[in-house]
Amino acid sequence: QQQVKQSPQSLIVQKGGISIINCAYENTAFDYFPWYQQFPGKGPALLIAIRPDVSEKKEGRFTISFNKSAKQFSLHIMDSQPGDSATYFCAAKEETSGSRLTFGEGTQLTVNP
Amino acid sequence: DTAVSQTPKYLVTQMGNDKSIKCEQNLGHDTMYWYKQDSKKFLKIMFSYNNKELIINETVPNRFSPKSPDKAHLNLHINSLELGDSAVYFCASSLSGPDTQYFGPGTRLTVL
Repeated sequence: QQQVKQSPQSLIVQKGGISIINCAYENTAFDYFPWYQQFPGKGPALLIAIRPDVSEKKEGRFTISFNKSAKQFSLHIMDSQPGDSATYFCAAKEETSGSRLTFGEGTQLTVNP
Repeated sequence: DTAVSQTPKYLVTQMGNDKSIKCEQNLGHDTMYWYKQDSKKFLKIMFSYNNKELIINETVPNRFSPKSPDKAHLNLHINSLELGDSAVYFCASSLSGPDTQYFGPGTRLTVL
């Protein structure tokens, strides 16, 4: 059972455009929602994360929007650049599960110059 | 300064062989993990150790056996390798309180 569903599977955006990746979760006990970025041949790296007590978190060009009632959260990349081309994973964790992260299926983002 | 390192980076072997992947972290973390990333890039946790104690053991064949000699190391031994074991295996580490997991560069395992 996939507890975190991510869409789209792939996304192509022009340079300067906005990239939007969406995730939906089922487990209402999840209380930490990170996004990881993975470049080819590298391990995933934490990009930005949010807790459900806020509806939005922004770091530079990257923003997480969180909708607790809809059990959805999304990553927005403003002014997308070719260097942003990577695979993006949303994830979720509940404190009682210890350190277990449940990942979404991943989104392959391509930013064309 | 390498935070989480894995060896080897590539591993090509025949079906039925036994192989090991090593992982080391120099971040002072107390929790370490093994993930499997399949050809569709789906990341799934396999094991987690906290202070050398197994705390997460997903539904993984018994052929996979993690070993943690100390808090800074978590090795993965795989017996009787099968074609379906071909994947990229990632080691990661974190502190048990804070949430950020730091991933290693991955080991691409190819079973022929």
